[in-house]
Amino acid sequence: EDQVTQSPEALRLQEGESSSLNCSYTVSGLRGLFWYRQDPGKGPEFLFTLYSAGEEKEKERLKATLTKKESFLHITAPKPEDSATYLCAVLVSGSARQLTFGSGTQLTVLP
Amino acid sequence: GAVVSQHPSWVICKSGTSVKIECRSLDFQATTMFWYRQFPKQSLMLMATSNEGSKATYEQGVEKDKFLINHASLTLSTLTVTSAHPEDSSFYICSAGRSGSPAEQYFGPGTRLTVT
Repeated sequence: EDQVTQSPEALRLQEGESSSLNCSYTVSGLRGLFWYRQDPGKGPEFLFTLYSAGEEKEKERLKATLTKKESFLHITAPKPEDSATYLCAVLVSGSARQLTFGSGTQLTVLP
Repeated sequence: GAVVSQHPSWVICKSGTSVKIECRSLDFQATTMFWYRQFPKQSLMLMATSNEGSKATYEQGVEKDKFLINHASLTLSTLTVTSAHPEDSSFYICSAGRSGSPAEQYFGPGTRLTVT
């Protein structure tokens, strides 16, 4: 069975304190790994797609990396507006676009 | 680009009534749309995959007669919760994938359903 596990469940950082969120996965065949940001009461906002081990993508203070077993979302010098729940999801081989989501990491950045 | 809208954003209905939620891709065509539900502080759970012009595919445990899905055009899918009960109260979110684009999905803002 395909599984996606995110850690930690919650993370509190001081403004400017860099850290990383983890997404580990066990799937039969990875077609893609996705990172989303979700604010309370809203739908997920697409951040990144990673397709192969070694791939990295950056957007402002966020950088996503991928290995054969896990992905990291690095947050450099976060600001309070980065506070949100970060979700990762995988698309597996043989799946017609259905994503399997992890449970998310709730990030709080304190001013 | 890649904007998905949902309507209504929130709805309150009485137990036993039906509620329709619309999901639209505003600036792209979507042959496939997905419907999720999300309980407080939990992740998204896929309910069904909606394909334009054909029957929806439901995930295990989702009642197809209770959650009716119609995908009549390349930009519109609807979810109707029939004979709603309080346990159907949840946050319903749709997503759409661009036709021809490998797997990226764009999510709507969600619909908060409360059944009293």
